[in-house]
Amino acid sequence: DSGVTQTPKHLITATGQRVTLRCSPRSGDLSVYWYQQSLDQGLQFLIQYYNGEERAKGNILERFSAQQFPDLHSELNLSSLELGDSALYFCASGRVGGGNTEAFFGQGTRLTVV
Amino acid sequence: LAKTTQPISMDSYEGQEVNITCSHNNIATNDYITWYQQFPSQGPRFIIQGYKTKVTNEVASLFIPADRKSSTLSLPRVSLSDTAVYYCLVGEERDDKIIFGKGTRLHILP
Repeated sequence: DSGVTQTPKHLITATGQRVTLRCSPRSGDLSVYWYQQSLDQGLQFLIQYYNGEERAKGNILERFSAQQFPDLHSELNLSSLELGDSALYFCASGRVGGGNTEAFFGQGTRLTVV
Repeated sequence: LAKTTQPISMDSYEGQEVNITCSHNNIATNDYITWYQQFPSQGPRFIIQGYKTKVTNEVASLFIPADRKSSTLSLPRVSLSDTAVYYCLVGEERDDKIIFGKGTRLHILP
């Protein structure tokens, strides 16, 4: 158990809809990272938050947004969903920066858009 | 993030020692070298991290030569359950991102 909790584990929704994925980081971790992994694809970095503020942005679509709340949990919002958004979405937390890349991942949310 | 190069795939047999080498020629002075393991449909799992020489834990060993331009992850006596994708990452002091490459797909045969 990594200590990072993601909910829900599975989500099936229709095209055009909006969903929210939730992540609770490990106790004490201020950073949260979101990743997308499509079938047989690599892990695509989406966005990072640190103590409530956006710190780094990757290949995140404009239809996607995220935020980190005062209690440090984070939500990833996906809107106007398309079939191609079907993927595993991972959240991670940890100590990163200053050359250190140690992070702990949740078990992911599998999103299926039909 | 400093670029890393590792083999796309490797096969080995149960009981063997497996060594996966990663090249990171542009590693910076303050960068750490980190390895992750990912099973299908699961999140990556941190395996080991090092800065120089050798690091060992209950799962693996990490060998880093003096010039730090490469590193080798060593998995002793692998089993079928070690079949996974292994990622090598090198940090960058000014960058808070964790960027994964394509990793090495390790397939353990009986």
